[in-house]
Amino acid sequence: GESVGLHLPTLSVQEGDNSIINCAYSNSASDYFIWYKQESGKGPQFIIDIRSNMDKRQGQRVTVLLNKTVKHLSLQIAATQPGDSAVYFCAERETNFGNEKLTFGTGTRLTIIP
Amino acid sequence: GAGVSQSPSNKVTEKGKDVELRCDPISGHTALYWYRQSLGQGLEFLIYFQGNSAPDKSGLPSDRFSAERTGGSVSTLTIQRTQQEDSAVYLCASSPRTRSEQFFGPGTRLTVL
Repeated sequence: GESVGLHLPTLSVQEGDNSIINCAYSNSASDYFIWYKQESGKGPQFIIDIRSNMDKRQGQRVTVLLNKTVKHLSLQIAATQPGDSAVYFCAERETNFGNEKLTFGTGTRLTIIP
Repeated sequence: GAGVSQSPSNKVTEKGKDVELRCDPISGHTALYWYRQSLGQGLEFLIYFQGNSAPDKSGLPSDRFSAERTGGSVSTLTIQRTQQEDSAVYLCASSPRTRSEQFFGPGTRLTVL
């Protein structure tokens, strides 16, 4: 079946450096992708999203890149801060109207080293 | 404004007992979702409500799981005859309309002994 997966389960980055979290997806019917951040004991928090008609979208200190050719999604966090330490999930949603569920990857734990 | 709230925050129960988990979505949000997150895992879709439409129950793992949404607002997820493998964090999310960002609650951590 289709799946959303992550290349690395853990990532450690020095404070102030940039980080890149990668995600591979295999469902060609997906047209909407989201990155969520989940801190310990909390629910996932929306970071940024991108639709399949785009290949890049920028937010505050975050950029999402979408490569539909190789079905790859990445989240770039610039100038990382201790508060960026969390588990990051990518999620995808199919094109079909009426199919609203998100399919989540297993997550990457990002640790910012002071 | 107030976000999605869930209660209880923690629930410990004995195998075989029934449990009810509650979700209060953001006011005005028409869509409501339930997900399950096992330790160290991603989120697993359970069920989705949208307005007065029939819910999408395709993610419910067994007939011991059911959910309802009363008056288009509060939702209750019920697990009957709980098993140890039901232990997980149950997350609720709501969104203002179809195909838009989902806002998550803090979750209910369920432990079945």
